[in-house]
Amino acid sequence: GDSVTQMEGPVTLSEEAFLTINCTYTATGYPSLFWYVQYPGEGLQLLLKATKADDKGSNKGFEATYRKETTSFHLEKGSVQVSDSAVYFCACGTSYGKLTFGQGTILTVHP
Amino acid sequence: NAGVTQTPKFQVLKTGQSMTLQCAQDMNHNSMYWYRQDPGMGLRLIYYSASEGTTDKGEVPNGYNVSRLNKREFSLRLESAAPSQTSVYFCASTGVGETQYFGPGTRLLVL
Repeated sequence: GDSVTQMEGPVTLSEEAFLTINCTYTATGYPSLFWYVQYPGEGLQLLLKATKADDKGSNKGFEATYRKETTSFHLEKGSVQVSDSAVYFCACGTSYGKLTFGQGTILTVHP
Repeated sequence: NAGVTQTPKFQVLKTGQSMTLQCAQDMNHNSMYWYRQDPGMGLRLIYYSASEGTTDKGEVPNGYNVSRLNKREFSLRLESAAPSQTSVYFCASTGVGETQYFGPGTRLLVL
């Protein structure tokens, strides 16, 4: 079946540091790829997505590029803020809109 | 427009008790999903409903049942709760375009 692997966390950074969270997937066909963010005590919110190879999703300064040759969708941000502290989930879209999620990466940003 | 709503927010059960988690969406979405979130495991799909009147098992269906009452509502029932079902439960829905919208979650503790 489909699977998603995220880099192990947690990740701790200082404000304005560069962020990378790695994500690789295994899936049949041509899945859509997603990054979701979960703030403390809340549900998941879509951060960005890409629906085909070489597409770049972007939102709120975060970016990720769909790399079919490496089956990857790494999340990056050039300068993180304290308000970016959250849990980040990579996900792969399969049939009937079902999503397969990675295990999540906890990001903590210190002032 | 409330999006996806879930009740209750928090519940404590004793082993063997039953309960139903309620979910409703007001976005006219066809597909709805129930996930559980456990530390280090990401989100795992319990059941989903691709359209009104249909339901299918996800990755971890044992110990749960669901009802797609109408297009808006999708409930999850635990007939005989077990400590292994202590988790945070999320409902989600999808319209056109694969993006899933999540509710705020139900925190369940089974003693």
